[in-house]
Amino acid sequence: EVQLVESGGGLVQPGGSLRLSCVASGFNFNGYYMSWVRQAPGKGLQWVANIKYDERVKTYADSVKGRFTTSRDNTKNTLFLQMDSLRAEDTGVYYCARCNYSPRGCSFDWWGQGTLVTVSS
Amino acid sequence: EIVMTQSPATLSMSPGESATLSCRASQSIATNLAWYQQQSGQSPRLLIYAASTRATGVPARFSGSGSGTEFTLTINSLQSEDFAIYYCQQYEWWYTFGQGTKLEIK
Repeated sequence: EVQLVESGGGLVQPGGSLRLSCVASGFNFNGYYMSWVRQAPGKGLQWVANIKYDERVKTYADSVKGRFTTSRDNTKNTLFLQMDSLRAEDTGVYYCARCNYSPRGCSFDWWGQGTLVTVSS
Repeated sequence: EIVMTQSPATLSMSPGESATLSCRASQSIATNLAWYQQQSGQSPRLLIYAASTRATGVPARFSGSGSGTEFTLTINSLQSEDFAIYYCQQYEWWYTFGQGTKLEIK
């Protein structure tokens, strides 16, 4: 069974940093694009970033470009999101998700349980 | 940015009825559209991708249709577990989600 388990969320002050992790199991992790999607409290879903299986391609939403970096360790089936220069509007639940790849892009066929990031002083 | 607009915002239905949820894209996205269900306090679940293909394990009462800018998710014979929030998402150009439709029990 596919499982994605995020960790690393918490309370951080504006301007601070946080690193999220997502451990994958139940599928061939190094064969899939992976993604981060977030959800502000009581709001809808917002795509954050994608990373190709070999890390050669990384794409980001404009709202996080230059502040967030995604990476992966295929030897440990783990996805990362390094978040720097955090802002209040970055507050929300962060999900890692597996990309159901198509030539135009991803739908997201498996999701983790999410980890809550709160940016507040 | 491609804007996805869902309607209605809230849909009140009774178990056993059929529900029709709509999603409109601000420009053509061919069939690069997915639907998700999010139950209260849970992660989203993929229901439909490529506008009309059911994801693995999704019951046949869920169906998707449409292309270009107009899309529909139909849920036949509503079950208690179907009352949730539904999101559409385009992947034609980057990734954007609709604001969601809340399907509630009447």
